[in-house]
Amino acid sequence: DQQVKQNSPSLSVQEGRISILNCDYTNSMFDYFLWYKKYPAEGPTFLISISSIKDKNEDGRFTVFLNKSAKHLSLHIVPSQPGDSAVYFCAARAGNNRKLIWGLGTSLAVNP
Amino acid sequence: GAGVSQSPSNKVTEKGKDVELRCDPISGHTALYWYRQSLGQGLEFLIYFQGNSAPDKSGLPSDRFSAERTGGSVSTLTIQRTQQEDSAVYLCASSLATTAYGYTFGSGTRLTVV
Repeated sequence: DQQVKQNSPSLSVQEGRISILNCDYTNSMFDYFLWYKKYPAEGPTFLISISSIKDKNEDGRFTVFLNKSAKHLSLHIVPSQPGDSAVYFCAARAGNNRKLIWGLGTSLAVNP
Repeated sequence: GAGVSQSPSNKVTEKGKDVELRCDPISGHTALYWYRQSLGQGLEFLIYFQGNSAPDKSGLPSDRFSAERTGGSVSTLTIQRTQQEDSAVYLCASSLATTAYGYTFGSGTRLTVV
């Protein structure tokens, strides 16, 4: 049973536009959420995170929004750049458990 | 080194053979994790080491899988009597124990069992 769901396997956007990647979760015990980016043949790299006590966290072009009542989070990339083309994973953890539960990823293609 | 180092980067083995995968975490990182990603799947937790505490082995899929971490640094993941379903990319990550942020991953070992 997938506790973290990324329902869009792929997304294509034009350079300069906004990319919105979505993630839903089912476990109400999750209190910390992370986004990772993965290029082919490389390990995932940490991008941005958010604690459940917040509803928004921003870092440069990347903003993560959390809607706890809907058990939904999203990653916004503005403006999108071709170098952002990668697979984006949403991950979550509960309390002090450092084990992350991962979504299946969304492949983002930013077209010049 | 500056990052998490994994070796080998690729491994092809015959079904039934044993394999050892190695992970060198970032110096000073007390937490070390093994995950694997099978084709078309998300990352699957395998095992977690934190300092001198007993490891969390809850993700190991069978008793053919084992891992150890010597001296609180280098870790090896051993798969005995490999099966074709063991084919995956095995990822190691490390972190500071107290970090609120994510881990740092290595580039992974791509294991193919033929």
